[in-house]
Amino acid sequence: EAGVAQSPRYKIIEKRQSVAFWCNPISGHATLYWYQQILGQGPKLLIQFQNNGVVDDSQLPKDRFSAERLKGVDSTLKIQPAKLEDSAVYLCASSFSSLPGQGPEQFFGPGTRLTVL
Amino acid sequence: LAKTTQPISMDSYEGQEVNITCSHNNIATNDYITWYQQFPSQGPRFIIQGYKTKVTNEVASLFIPADRKSSTLSLPRVSLSDTAVYYCLVGDYNTGGFKTIFGAGTRLFVKA
Repeated sequence: EAGVAQSPRYKIIEKRQSVAFWCNPISGHATLYWYQQILGQGPKLLIQFQNNGVVDDSQLPKDRFSAERLKGVDSTLKIQPAKLEDSAVYLCASSFSSLPGQGPEQFFGPGTRLTVL
Repeated sequence: LAKTTQPISMDSYEGQEVNITCSHNNIATNDYITWYQQFPSQGPRFIIQGYKTKVTNEVASLFIPADRKSSTLSLPRVSLSDTAVYYCLVGDYNTGGFKTIFGAGTRLFVKA
C-alpha cells in the first residue's frame, strides 16, 4: 500500500514570498489533515478535511494560509505571504474514518521542511 | 478536546522495559487514547490505541485504569532504535472525522 505522498520535501523562500505544498493521501482515505510542526514541538493541526469539506480550520491563520481539497483526494496548502515564523515542517496525514465512535489511525507523510529567510 | 501531560524526557538502557505515563484528567466519554512515535525527519507513526483496560500489539502495551484519567505506554525490551519522541493523544471520532491534539511528547533516549 502506497503511503501519504508530499512534495516538495524541502523549500527555502524569502519572507513575503508565496509557497505551496502538495499532498496525496492514501487511496480511499476520506479524512485529510495538515499539521505544522515547529522544531522541538508537537504537530499542530492547521486544517482537517472530510472528503472535500472543511471540518476544522480553527487554527489556520486565514490571513495568510489557505488550503483546498477540491475533488476530495489530493490537497494543496498555500502560504501567502510567508513570515519568518512560518519556518517549520508541514505534515500531511490521512485516515480512513470508517468507524464511528473509534478514533482512526492517522498515516503521516514525510513532511515538507520550509525555511523562510 | 482533552489536554495531555507527559514527561518531557526519559532515559533507558537497551533491553529494559520502558513505561511512559500520560495524564488526561479531562478525558471525555467518547475519547480514545492513542500513542504515536516520531523519529527525526519523519512524520509520526501510530503505535497503539485503546479505550479502557489493556491493549497489546506486537510492539507495545497500553494500560488504562478504570477512571481513564491516565494511561501508560509500555515498551518491552527497548533497543537503540526506539530512541524517538512519543506522543499521547486523546480524541474522538465525530461526523467530521477524528479530532485530537498533539502535545509536546516525551523524548525517549535509549542507551547502550
